[in-house]
Amino acid sequence: RKEVEQDPGPFNVPEGATVAFNCTYSNSASQSFFWYRQDCRKEPKLLMSVYSSGNEDGRFTAQLNRASQYISLLIRDSKLSDSATYLCVVLTPFSGSARQLTFGSGTQLTVLP
Amino acid sequence: GAVVSQHPSRVICKSGTSVKIECRSLDFQATTMFWYRQFPKQSLMLMATSNEGSKATYEQGVEKDKFLINHASLTLSTLTVTSAHPEDSSFYICSAQLAGEGETQYFGPGTRLLVL
Repeated sequence: RKEVEQDPGPFNVPEGATVAFNCTYSNSASQSFFWYRQDCRKEPKLLMSVYSSGNEDGRFTAQLNRASQYISLLIRDSKLSDSATYLCVVLTPFSGSARQLTFGSGTQLTVLP
Repeated sequence: GAVVSQHPSRVICKSGTSVKIECRSLDFQATTMFWYRQFPKQSLMLMATSNEGSKATYEQGVEKDKFLINHASLTLSTLTVTSAHPEDSSFYICSAQLAGEGETQYFGPGTRLLVL
């Protein structure tokens, strides 16, 4: 079982649509959670951190359910520029006090005009 | 925000040659740098964690003698792919962790390696 699992998509949605991505993680000791965005042939860029109480940043809303080990990202009023691959990322204990980022394989989104 | 550069951005080499990739934190000191590899349509996979002045910690399945990592200063880490083979062709991305900023990692733009 992968440590971080995402629906690979692709999601093809019209401009203005609302789209939701889901992610599950297997390590219950995971401590921090993030959504990254990766454009084609580019490095990943942090989109937002995910907090237990849920958090919103403009059109983006992230939710975390620790009991279910489930993370979500909601994009409202999607724009053409939102087309990218969205990576669910989890900070997990590594060895000793070290921790490392574990990346999901990403969900591809294409917003159509 | 903090800036991380990588050089070269793209490299094509013959099988059997060695390739060195540099990762630099441009405006901050990074006590820890990470090297990732990403194959097409796959996730970023951590290869190794590099701490300044000490040996790198390699992930399971990553050959330390093939992927040499040197972190000689707080702003520079290098990854050398020795005796590269076509299966080493991939997107190599480094990230740097800013001291005092918890777990925030800043990613370099990546190096695309093609081994013929």
